[in-house]
Amino acid sequence: DQQVKQNSPSLSVQEGRISILNCDYTNSMFDYFLWYKKYPAEGPTFLISISSIKDKNEDGRFTVFLNKSAKHLSLHIVPSQPGDSAVYFCAARGLIGTASKLTFGTGTRLQVTL
Amino acid sequence: DSGVTQTPKHLITATGQRVTLRCSPRSGDLSVYWYQQSLDQGLQFLIHYYNGEERAKGNILERFSAQQFPDLHSELNLSSLELGDSALYFCASSVAAQGVDTEAFFGQGTRLTVV
Repeated sequence: DQQVKQNSPSLSVQEGRISILNCDYTNSMFDYFLWYKKYPAEGPTFLISISSIKDKNEDGRFTVFLNKSAKHLSLHIVPSQPGDSAVYFCAARGLIGTASKLTFGTGTRLQVTL
Repeated sequence: DSGVTQTPKHLITATGQRVTLRCSPRSGDLSVYWYQQSLDQGLQFLIHYYNGEERAKGNILERFSAQQFPDLHSELNLSSLELGDSALYFCASSVAAQGVDTEAFFGQGTRLTVV
């Protein structure tokens, strides 16, 4: 059961334009959402996060939007740069008993072209 | 550099064998998580340790086991290996045990190939 879904395996965007990566989740108990970026041969690195009590969080060129009623979040990158080309994972935090765990989506490969 | 060290980086072994993957968390981090990433799959949570104790289990096979030692490094043991166990195995660490985990720092992963 995939509780966190990234339905677009890949996305190509021109440099300078906006990149929008989408993520859907099914578990209404998730209380925190994160985006990770992963380059080849490296581990994922944290990018930006949002609490379930907010609907927007902005950090420089990166903005995450959360729509709780739709169980949907998105990552906007403006303007997109070639260095943003990577795989982006959406993750959601939930509790197992008294411990937390992150549930990851399958990732979206973003390619920013010149 | 995330500060999380995984060894070895690559591992090739035969079916039926047993391997041990090692992870050293960031200095000061008490939590260690193990994840598996198979081809075209997301990161699948395997297990979480906090200060030597198992805190949560995910989709971890019975053939797999893990532990966290007093010096906080962790090992993931995979036995009776099958071709389908070929994957990238990531370790991540964070400061807290529960509730306040908002970020985990990942190592570079161990690529396991079972032939």
